[in-house]
Amino acid sequence: TQLLEQSPQFLSIQEGENLTVYCNSSSVFSSLQWYRQEPGEGPVLLVTVVTGGEVKKLKRLTFQFGDARKDSSLHITAAQPGDTGLYLCAGAMSYNNNDMRFGAGTRLTVKP
Amino acid sequence: GAGVSQSPRYKVAKRGQDVALRCDPISGHVSLFWYQQALGQGPEFLTYFQNEAQLDKSGLPSDRFFAERPEGSVSTLKIQRTQQEDSAVYLCASSRGTWGYEQYFGPGTRLTVT
Repeated sequence: TQLLEQSPQFLSIQEGENLTVYCNSSSVFSSLQWYRQEPGEGPVLLVTVVTGGEVKKLKRLTFQFGDARKDSSLHITAAQPGDTGLYLCAGAMSYNNNDMRFGAGTRLTVKP
Repeated sequence: GAGVSQSPRYKVAKRGQDVALRCDPISGHVSLFWYQQALGQGPEFLTYFQNEAQLDKSGLPSDRFFAERPEGSVSTLKIQRTQQEDSAVYLCASSRGTWGYEQYFGPGTRLTVT
């Protein structure tokens, strides 16, 4: 059983649509990170959220950390084919971020 | 600038062979991490170095797995007597400091054990 459950596992949408993916856990994290991973590459950090209830925006991407610091969501507005990839969330078990636990990811495909 | 590099990018090993995977972190990065990513899964933590000291090896799945970073820079992950369940992508990441810094990942080594 994964410590972090991500949903949906797969998502295929048309260019221009909006979407939300979720990252849930029964554990409390000191911070949570979202990464995007493309085939044959390592994950690349998109954002770190630290405070319960925190919302961060990165262009068309909006990240929210749950009030209890157990869950998070990523919302993409007007998705583009370049958004295609594997989106991973990772929770830090300690404040130094040296013990990160990853979810299995949401594989997003945006069709032109 | 140069990112984290890993070699080889692909490795095919017969069951029972030993393999060595190399990670070159970003120059000057203090912390180095190894992860294992099975097909369709997220990365799973294996081990963590602060300079040359291996501070956490709780994620290593068995005593066949061994990692070292003797001079606090390049690291090697060695797997002895490989088994089919060892097939995965092995990712290395480095970070600048020891507290809350971003981890930068390499492209990984895809190991296939036949």
